[in-house]
Amino acid sequence: RKEVEQDPGPFNVPEGATVAFNCTYSNSASQSFFWYRQDCRKEPKLLMSVYSSGNEDGRFTAQLNRASQYISLLIRDSKLSDSATYLCVVGTGGFKTIFGAGTRLFVKA
Amino acid sequence: NAGVTQTPKFQVLKTGQSMTLQCAQDMNHNSMYWYRQDPGMGLRLIYYSASEGTTDKGEVPNGYNVSRLNKREFSLRLESAAPSQTSVYFCASSVQWGGGAGEQFFGPGTRLTVL
Repeated sequence: RKEVEQDPGPFNVPEGATVAFNCTYSNSASQSFFWYRQDCRKEPKLLMSVYSSGNEDGRFTAQLNRASQYISLLIRDSKLSDSATYLCVVGTGGFKTIFGAGTRLFVKA
Repeated sequence: NAGVTQTPKFQVLKTGQSMTLQCAQDMNHNSMYWYRQDPGMGLRLIYYSASEGTTDKGEVPNGYNVSRLNKREFSLRLESAAPSQTSVYFCASSVQWGGGAGEQFFGPGTRLTVL
């Protein structure tokens, strides 16, 4: 079993749709959680950190469920510019930061 | 601020050749990392440098060596390239060492093909 698992997609949604991604992690001792965004042939960039209480940044909402060991990302009112690969990232302490393989999102007009 | 820069952007090597990938950051970050990204596998840590003067192995260090030349620069060397090292290589930096470091800033990547 991979340490961090994501549905690879692709998710194809129309503009204005709401889309949700889940990510599961295997190490219950994991301490930090993030969502990164990666555009085609570009480097990953931090989208948002994920806090235990959940957090929101504009159209993006991230949730953490420690009991079930998953994190989620909700995107509301999808824009064409949201098309990208979304990487789930889990830190287990020290240097070890595990990246999921990513979920691809295509937003269509 | 240029952030994290990497050279070269593209490279084609023959099996057995050697090369060094260069990385520099101008954000005064303590920690630097080298990752490789392969289709369907996510980014995997090759080596990291928690602070100037230290380097440690990550998840997939075999076939690579690194040098933390100073606080700004962290290079990755392939001594004898193999086709299995065909990948996209990303350098990253963060303010402080560790999985709890928060945001990592990535360079634009080096696309390496080994024939």
